Amino acid sequence: DAMVIQNPRYQVTQFGKPVTLSCSQTLNHNVMYWYQQKSSQAPKLLFHYYDKDFNNEADTPDNFQSRRPNTSFCFLDIRSPGLGDAAMYLCATSRGGGRGKDTQYFGPGTRLTVL
Amino acid sequence: DAKTTQPNSMESNEEEPVHLPCNHSTISGTDYIHWYRQLPSQGPEYVIHGLTSNVNNRMASLAIAEDRKSSTLILHRATLRDAAVYYCILRDSGSQGNLIFGKGTKLSVKP
Repeated sequence: DAMVIQNPRYQVTQFGKPVTLSCSQTLNHNVMYWYQQKSSQAPKLLFHYYDKDFNNEADTPDNFQSRRPNTSFCFLDIRSPGLGDAAMYLCATSRGGGRGKDTQYFGPGTRLTVL
Repeated sequence: DAKTTQPNSMESNEEEPVHLPCNHSTISGTDYIHWYRQLPSQGPEYVIHGLTSNVNNRMASLAIAEDRKSSTLILHRATLRDAAVYYCILRDSGSQGNLIFGKGTKLSVKP
């Protein structure tokens, strides 16, 4: 089945130690998104790629970076994780185009713990 | 994107219909109404969307008020697996695709 895959499902890192989360998709979608979801809160968009065009949300901290080397893969890099970065990180994809009708497909998320 | 208002929580009995309301009084003519849900410990999943007319799919029905200032997601027969947080989100047809999640409604289903 076509899907959005996130690895690993659980990631533990140390305060200040860089960490990379990965996302892959078999849907061949143009757009890939990264959301952050803290405990008992709604998901919050960090940034997205439309093909190779990177779009950063205005309030996304500089500590968060992203790479999309090809259509299938997208990475979230946290350069110096702080305790406040502990959260579930969700990757999503969509076809793009379609604008208001465009629906997003989410992966299962990676739960990041910062010690 | 315009704002939506949903009840914080609702309860339902298994095998009964559930009507989840959403108010969006500032909706514009080009805003689509989307519903997503998030089961415990999972990523959100798309449920349904509509613009003006009522919509049905295998998961749910979406009833849109004539003035479009409110909508209702209808689960025809709730199951325990439908216990989740349901998000009502407006998407402008001119937007690039970002989903702005509100707090959603936490649905509990009792056996």
